[in-house]
Amino acid sequence: GDSVTQMEGPVTLSEEAFLTINCTYTATGYPSLFWYVQYPGEGLQLLLKATKADDKGSNKGFEATYRKETTSFHLEKGSVQVSDSAVYFCAPRMDSSYKLIFGSGTRLLVRP
Amino acid sequence: DAGVIQSPRHEVTEMGQEVTLRCKPISGHDYLFWYRQTMMRGLELLIYFNNNVPIDDSGMPEDRFSAKMPNASFSTLKIQPSEPRDSAVYFCASSGRSNTEAFFGQGTRLTVV
Repeated sequence: GDSVTQMEGPVTLSEEAFLTINCTYTATGYPSLFWYVQYPGEGLQLLLKATKADDKGSNKGFEATYRKETTSFHLEKGSVQVSDSAVYFCAPRMDSSYKLIFGSGTRLLVRP
Repeated sequence: DAGVIQSPRHEVTEMGQEVTLRCKPISGHDYLFWYRQTMMRGLELLIYFNNNVPIDDSGMPEDRFSAKMPNASFSTLKIQPSEPRDSAVYFCASSGRSNTEAFFGQGTRLTVV
């Protein structure tokens, strides 16, 4: 069935370090792909998205590219800040059922 | 638009009581999702609606859970009777077209004692 696998956390980095959070999915067809972020005590906010193969979503210095051949949508940021500390969720939205499912979430902690 | 509105924000109830969580989606959105978030199981999709019709309720844990969407601007998630293991944060989200992003409410933190 449809599923998504995210890199296990927590990920602990120093400020200005490079970030990669891996995400792969299984789905029939070509889902739209999203990254959401959840700050402590808050709901989920959309961080970025890509709706077709080779699209690159970007926002606030974060980027992710829709890789159809590897069914992946890895999140990257060149230089993280303390304020980026949060939980990040990869979420494919299936184009057959329009169901939106979430990965297990990856907690990021950035130290000064 | 005020975004997706959930109520109450916090609910504490005793085991065996009925609990009703409420959600007002963004006006004009066709899809509404209910999720449950716990430390152990992460973010689980419970049920989702399209144009007020339930499409997939396979994530509803058991018969104690039920969800309704009587009109395009309101949905409820009911637990009867509630149990301590139902303690979690419940999120409602809505979206427009089928391939677009969903917008989340602030969640309802439910504690069953």
